[in-house]
Amino acid sequence: SAVISQKPSRDICQRGTSLTIQCQVDSQVTMMFWYRQQPGQSLTLIATANQGSEATYESGFVIDKFPISRPNLTFSTLTVSNMSPEDSSIYLCSVEGLGLAGGVEQFFGPGTRLTVL
Amino acid sequence: AQSVAQPEDQVNVAEGNPLTVKCTYSVSGNPYLFWYVQYPNRGLQFLLKYITGDNLVKGSYGFEAEFNKSQTSFHLKKPSALVSDSALYFCAVRNFNKFYFGSGTKLNVKP
Repeated sequence: SAVISQKPSRDICQRGTSLTIQCQVDSQVTMMFWYRQQPGQSLTLIATANQGSEATYESGFVIDKFPISRPNLTFSTLTVSNMSPEDSSIYLCSVEGLGLAGGVEQFFGPGTRLTVL
Repeated sequence: AQSVAQPEDQVNVAEGNPLTVKCTYSVSGNPYLFWYVQYPNRGLQFLLKYITGDNLVKGSYGFEAEFNKSQTSFHLKKPSALVSDSALYFCAVRNFNKFYFGSGTKLNVKP
């Protein structure tokens, strides 16, 4: 299994500013994923971050708005740039790993709850 | 295109009664199906998955799910609900290392 921590756990930010969210995993992983969960909604994949290459963004998400770093196999950051109230969401980091029952599972961090005023 | 549908926004059940949370999917190829639970102010927790084999999958906390290929469904079930089962439940399908989540179903178990 993989244990994932995220910083900060929550933040309240002003419109127009940027926030960088950190994700730390207790083991080396090839791919890390960033999701957004808007209030009352499901999870939407923002991008996939591979170490040593640029992140791959899903439709509707762009690098200028959500730049991602992946400096090593246990760490990644997601920046929410030039924030607006519509960016208020929970942002979750996720990785794949071997589950206790065997086979590949997706593990999620506790999330970062962002409120933009 | 891959997609997951959870037709019920909310399910209300009395404690001790059986519960079902519905999920249907659309995926090319063989589906890898998952159920996750999210408690308030907590991250997602894995409940169970179907990859191949027996259509009835048993998971954590007494939950199970039945894979039905003809109906493209993967409903979550529990024979006897607990108040502590009250949470948000997400069905998901995995395709090429990406997860696609349903809209979520809020389960309310009343004493």
